[in-house]
Amino acid sequence: GAVVSQHPSRVICKSGTSVKIECRSLDFQATTMFWYRQFPKQSLMLMATSNEGSKATYEQGVEKDKFLINHASLTLSTLTVTSAHPEDSSFYICSANRQGAYEQYFGPGTRLTVT
Amino acid sequence: AQSVAQPEDQVNVAEGNPLTVKCTYSVSGNPYLFWYVQYPNRGLQFLLKYITGDNLVKGSYGFEAEFNKSQTSFHLKKPSALVSDSALYFCAVKALGNTPLVFGKGTRLSVIA
Repeated sequence: GAVVSQHPSRVICKSGTSVKIECRSLDFQATTMFWYRQFPKQSLMLMATSNEGSKATYEQGVEKDKFLINHASLTLSTLTVTSAHPEDSSFYICSANRQGAYEQYFGPGTRLTVT
Repeated sequence: AQSVAQPEDQVNVAEGNPLTVKCTYSVSGNPYLFWYVQYPNRGLQFLLKYITGDNLVKGSYGFEAEFNKSQTSFHLKKPSALVSDSALYFCAVKALGNTPLVFGKGTRLSVIA
């Protein structure tokens, strides 16, 4: 199968600090990865599309300077929440496309709590 | 623009009874449709997809979905529900290529023993 991992699964940080979340495709190469955010009892909202070797494409309303995305290799994309605030607390989920497959494969998610 | 509607926030069904979770879509061109399931504090698990071919698609865990072009629907079904099927279900649509999924708001399924 196609496995996507995320690390950490859960993180608590203080307001004003930065947090990095890693998304890895374990058994396939992913030229494109996606970052979603999910609020409690709500659907997934696309934040950005991460493209290997190029700049990420952000959705309208998502601050690119606050949510830094780096896709440095075909198996790793990172999301850094800079100067985190309590309103950034959420469940962040990444997904990846495997070449030749229509479906996306999702990571297990990262629960971020900013105190 | 593509969109997906899941008209029910919550579906309750007794164990052993058939279940249906509704989904309608709006796309320009051919739809690529998906169902995912999410358990608490977990990522999404792929259940099934419709790309082309037979309108009845069979997926994981005994789930199936029927693509109905005239009604622009892609309802998720299972003949006999299990308590372990209780979860949050998302219908999604995407365009061709490395494009993101567009999700419905989700439907919470509760299967009661």
